[in-house]
Amino acid sequence: EAGVAQSPRYKIIEKRQSVAFWCNPISGHATLYWYQQILGQGPKLLIQFQNNGVVDDSQLPKDRFSAERLKGVDSTLKIQPAKLEDSAVYLCASSFQQGDYGYTFGSGTRLTVV
Amino acid sequence: GNSVTQMEGPVTLSEEAFLTINCTYTATGYPSLFWYVQYPGEGLQLLLKATKADDKGSNKGFEATYRKETTSFHLEKGSVQVSDSAVYFCALSDRSNYQLIWGAGTKLIIKP
Repeated sequence: EAGVAQSPRYKIIEKRQSVAFWCNPISGHATLYWYQQILGQGPKLLIQFQNNGVVDDSQLPKDRFSAERLKGVDSTLKIQPAKLEDSAVYLCASSFQQGDYGYTFGSGTRLTVV
Repeated sequence: GNSVTQMEGPVTLSEEAFLTINCTYTATGYPSLFWYVQYPGEGLQLLLKATKADDKGSNKGFEATYRKETTSFHLEKGSVQVSDSAVYFCALSDRSNYQLIWGAGTKLIIKP
């Protein structure tokens, strides 16, 4: 079974620029999550999708972050404009359905804002 | 609200030593509990889980028992290896929305 694919692995941008991350979940996984992990901290949920609908985006900074999951498969997360404090690893995870099954995570995208 | 507290790291041990990483939680209801591991430069991997009181999760020589009376889910391994060096995260699943609540992580360093 292929894992959760994310790209790019690394990205360096200047503040006020925009950036986009892509995630392809495991085939058949209806639930998709984007997390932000700042160095030395646990992951923080940004947004949760069930198929192509948003379940929870309460912690997404909507003035600069946006995410979509067209056709209930791939997802993109965008930051525009980026701030220095957005430097983090952005993790995508998927699960078969909502429940206590544990998630499968991608390798993440490490973003550095300079 | 729900929360997870882990022992602070780094934890440094010699190879073949016994490992315990403490994890306690606060939750309403009866959450599921997880341990995730993050190796350097990699994403998070599910290590083990337990879904009800007294359940024991185990994988790769690691074990953790769901203790409702002490609200704990401590991670143990009898004999650690250098390859176990990683960051370990304890998490609970909020059954109202199945979102994971994470501890801050414990960095484990195993010296040969």
